[in-house]
Amino acid sequence: GQQLNQSPQSMFIQEGEDVSMNCTSSSIFNTWLWYKQDPGEGPVLLIALYKAGELTSNGRLTAQFGITRKDSFLNISASIPSDVGIYFCAGQSYGSARQLTFGSGTQLTVLP
Amino acid sequence: DTAVSQTPKYLVTQMGNDKSIKCEQNLGHDTMYWYKQDSKKFLKIMFSYNNKELIINETVPNRFSPKSPDKAHLNLHINSLELGDSAVYFCASSHTSQSYEQFFGPGTRLTVL
Repeated sequence: GQQLNQSPQSMFIQEGEDVSMNCTSSSIFNTWLWYKQDPGEGPVLLIALYKAGELTSNGRLTAQFGITRKDSFLNISASIPSDVGIYFCAGQSYGSARQLTFGSGTQLTVLP
Repeated sequence: DTAVSQTPKYLVTQMGNDKSIKCEQNLGHDTMYWYKQDSKKFLKIMFSYNNKELIINETVPNRFSPKSPDKAHLNLHINSLELGDSAVYFCASSHTSQSYEQFFGPGTRLTVL
């Protein structure tokens, strides 16, 4: 089956720093999504990407859909304490069902 | 006015028991899903229903049986619970089966003793 490699697995950063995480796939995806999961909650959609090369921002978050369709990255600028959580990439490949494959997550800790 | 809600939030039970988790969405979405998140936080889809019809059924033991009484509800029944079933189970919904954006519930933490 499809595999999504997400890195880094965890990050510890100082408040105010920028953060970057990425996902690579063994196969082509036609949609990339980035979710954030707070402790004890379900994942919440942050950004959706639908076209290769697309660069999309949502406040301090920026995500890009890789040209090869096999990767995506998420940047967070000027991190704040509430950015703490687990960030997941998710992709969907061509097929009959809109089935998402999730990455293994990046645990982000922001130190004051 | 929670969009996707699940009950219970926590479920602790003995091995061999049968239990159910309920999910409701008030978004008017056509499609609902069940995911399992293991101890390493890996999220994997189990089932998907579109307008009460099963459209995705991943390799899941047949002890797991989803039931959708109407398109706003998707319940998960688990028979003969095993230790390995301990996980967080998330319900999600999307506008249609062609929608990529899925909205997740708060999760049900199942612990099998």
